[in-house]
Amino acid sequence: AQSVSQHNHHVILSEAASLELGCNYSYGGTVNLFWYVQYPGQHLQLLLKYFSGDPLVKGIKGFEAEFIKSKFSFNLRKPSVQWSDTAEYFCAVNANNAGNMLTFGGGTRLMVKP
Amino acid sequence: EPEVTQTPSHQVTQMGQEVILRCVPISNHLYFYWYRQILGQKVEFLVSFYNNEISEKSEIFDDQFSVERPDGSNFTLKIRSTKLEDSAMYFCASSALGTTSYEQYFGPGTRLTVT
Repeated sequence: AQSVSQHNHHVILSEAASLELGCNYSYGGTVNLFWYVQYPGQHLQLLLKYFSGDPLVKGIKGFEAEFIKSKFSFNLRKPSVQWSDTAEYFCAVNANNAGNMLTFGGGTRLMVKP
Repeated sequence: EPEVTQTPSHQVTQMGQEVILRCVPISNHLYFYWYRQILGQKVEFLVSFYNNEISEKSEIFDDQFSVERPDGSNFTLKIRSTKLEDSAMYFCASSALGTTSYEQYFGPGTRLTVT
């Protein structure tokens, strides 16, 4: 069965610092990859997604992620965080032979200090 | 922008009671999903629904759970006889087509507390 790991459970950064959140998955076949964000009191929103093509994908609000197939990773990055990026970030994977279900990582709580 | 909505936002029920959680997916979407998140744990897939039938379900989705699309807009999750361990946040999601091509849009969730 596929699984997703997010190794950073809590991250605290100051504004303007660079961000990288790790995501690794365990599945050897073709995958679709997603990062969702949940701002305090709000629902899960899609930040970005990878289905195929350029492994460096750009999402909303200045976020990007890089799919490295050899490392089974899909790390999320942002060069300069803002206080408004304080949220919980979830990596999710859909394996192409697993129907439509998303498998989520445990989430990373990001706090950005002003 | 269209959104998935869920009601109620918080449901408290006693163990053994039946609950129905309601969702209104985005209107032109064809796939519907339920996920749950027990406090402190990962978001877990429960079930997906397409063309008026279950297309996939997880091991969690046992006989006490059922889903229904009673009309053209609502999508419901019924838990027949709630247990303490059913306490969780339940998220509904919808997508235009299957995940291989389309993203899933999530609702705000219903917090279910079983006492």
